[in-house]
Amino acid sequence: DAGVTQSPTHLIKTRGQQVTLRCSPKSGHDTVSWYQQALGQGPQFIFQYYEEEERQRGNFPDRFSGHQFPNYSSELNVNALLLGDSALYLCASSLKVIEQYFGPGTRLTVT
Amino acid sequence: GIQVEQSPPDLILQEGANSTLRCNFSDSVNNLQWFHQNPWGQLINLFYIPSGTKQNGRLSATTVATERYSLLYISSSQTTDSGVYFCAGGSQGNLIFGKGTKLSVKP
Repeated sequence: DAGVTQSPTHLIKTRGQQVTLRCSPKSGHDTVSWYQQALGQGPQFIFQYYEEEERQRGNFPDRFSGHQFPNYSSELNVNALLLGDSALYLCASSLKVIEQYFGPGTRLTVT
Repeated sequence: GIQVEQSPPDLILQEGANSTLRCNFSDSVNNLQWFHQNPWGQLINLFYIPSGTKQNGRLSATTVATERYSLLYISSSQTTDSGVYFCAGGSQGNLIFGKGTKLSVKP
């Protein structure tokens, strides 16, 4: 049974560019959540998708957007990248909002 | 919003020792999880425990929902237990994380 997968593993972008991160949920899960983890901090909730709609959103600007596809996979898009967007981006999947399982993350570096 | 406080922030143990990590919530949560983050950043599920007590090998956890806290017990610690332990909870499907407890187990 495959767990949560994320791609790419690492990414280096320049300020002002746009980036797309991808996530495939654990088999049988229908809900995907995205988190940002800065160095030395706990993960912070960005948003959650269920039935292809954004259901919950954390305190992140509109530069952060997402999408969920009919197969439950999801994308996180960040526009107009800032140096402060450098972080580990974690995707989690769950069945409805019960126990969340995390992927290995995408480490984004903005230079 | 909900605030999550974890203690202690850092913990150094000798192999074989026992420890207790604590997590306090500022408001009620209806989902609560404990995670171990390995050096590569992977969050490993330890417990889903919105209330009650669970045990898995050398690890156990207790959540007292009415008093808004949860405890993680590690017995007979091993060097492989080293890493950062997070608790996280929420009331609307999202998870609010604490700042973590960094555990170092010395051989």
